[in-house]
Amino acid sequence: AQTVTQSQPEMSVQEAETVTLSCTYDTSESNYYLFWYKQPPSRQMILVIRQEAYKQQNATENRFSVNFQKAAKSFSLKISDSQLGDTAMYFCAFMGSARQLTFGSGTQLTVLP
Amino acid sequence: KAGVTQTPRYLIKTRGQQVTLSCSPISGHRSVSWYQQTPGQGLQFLFEYFSETQRNKGNFPGRFSGRQFSNSRSEMNVSTLELGDSALYLCASSLSQGDEQYFGPGTRLTVT
Repeated sequence: AQTVTQSQPEMSVQEAETVTLSCTYDTSESNYYLFWYKQPPSRQMILVIRQEAYKQQNATENRFSVNFQKAAKSFSLKISDSQLGDTAMYFCAFMGSARQLTFGSGTQLTVLP
Repeated sequence: KAGVTQTPRYLIKTRGQQVTLSCSPISGHRSVSWYQQTPGQGLQFLFEYFSETQRNKGNFPGRFSGRQFSNSRSEMNVSTLELGDSALYLCASSLSQGDEQYFGPGTRLTVT
């Protein structure tokens, strides 16, 4: 079974600065997808970014980018120019051949003014 | 394009009762997945439906069931409610199996 680990339960960052959230996963599969979702206080789960394991190039979406290290089974999220609206719980998630999302325990990010 | 909708948003039930939650996917999406979110267990996969068939099921007791209709709308049912069933139930839709999933706002179920 796949597992996803987020070792940072809470993090904070000053507005306009850069922060990196960590995620590691364990799988024996070679083809899979990785995701970062954010869940603000409204509890609406929002897709932030997606990475296909077969792609070596790291995914980027505006201020959000990932550092995908397949051999190390690491998938970190970098948020640049942090904004107050980035305050949320961030979940790392894995999808393999079972086609279901396995989530990490989440990292609560607080952006400080 | 409208997002995933879930009804009701909030629900309070008594232990032993049953409950039905509804999910309408994004137009054109044919796959619907359900997740349970609790403070203790985090986010856990319940089941996935595609083309009116359950394709995948998580590790939940048989009290949890679901179905999908021809218009891709989905319902999940929980019978004989227990206090531990109190949770946020999230529905997610995708174009097809394995595609990126888009979540609804959730249904907050409280069992007393």
